[in-house]
Amino acid sequence: GIQVEQSPPDLILQEGANSTLRCNFSDSVNNLQWFHQNPWGQLINLFYIPSGTKQNGRLSATTVATERYSLLYISSSQTTDSGVYFCAVAPSYSGGGADGLTFGKGTHLIIQP
Amino acid sequence: DTAVSQTPKYLVTQMGNDKSIKCEQNLGHDTMYWYKQDSKKFLKIMFSYNNKELIINETVPNRFSPKSPDKAHLNLHINSLELGDSAVYFCASSQGILAGKQETQYFGPGTRLLVL
Repeated sequence: GIQVEQSPPDLILQEGANSTLRCNFSDSVNNLQWFHQNPWGQLINLFYIPSGTKQNGRLSATTVATERYSLLYISSSQTTDSGVYFCAVAPSYSGGGADGLTFGKGTHLIIQP
Repeated sequence: DTAVSQTPKYLVTQMGNDKSIKCEQNLGHDTMYWYKQDSKKFLKIMFSYNNKELIINETVPNRFSPKSPDKAHLNLHINSLELGDSAVYFCASSQGILAGKQETQYFGPGTRLLVL
């Protein structure tokens, strides 16, 4: 099946810093989502971005589908940004059925005050 | 309004018991899913289901079975619970396939299952 690798696995930053999280995937995709799992365990949708660029406040994401990677940018980090960031994909070869997402192992982000 | 809801939020039970987790979505979506998050926070698909097709991850034991009374509900039944079933179980839903792209999946708050 499709492989998803996220880097870095851990990241510790001071409040106000910027960061870039990377997601590499092994095959073409027709769904790519970024999630933030907060310390209470909730999975929060950040972006649906199988291709292109999107921005939402201090967060933005870019997926270069032809090169099989996606980047999540966090600017001016706040302590509430702490948690685990997951990239998840569905491969294009999944055909007409709605297959589940394959998740990466996540990037654990800690923002220190 | 909660888009995808799960009950219960916490479930503590003994080995060997049978339990169910309920999931409801009010988004009008056609497809629902169950995921398992283990102690290392790794998330893995268990099932995806719409009114036409059930796709089962081959690694899921047959003690786990999804049951859908209607399009808005997908419940997870677990028979003969084992210690290794302890995990967080997430339900999700999506509109499925639109214009060749899989649509956004929306996740519920999770059910924390502890088997003693």
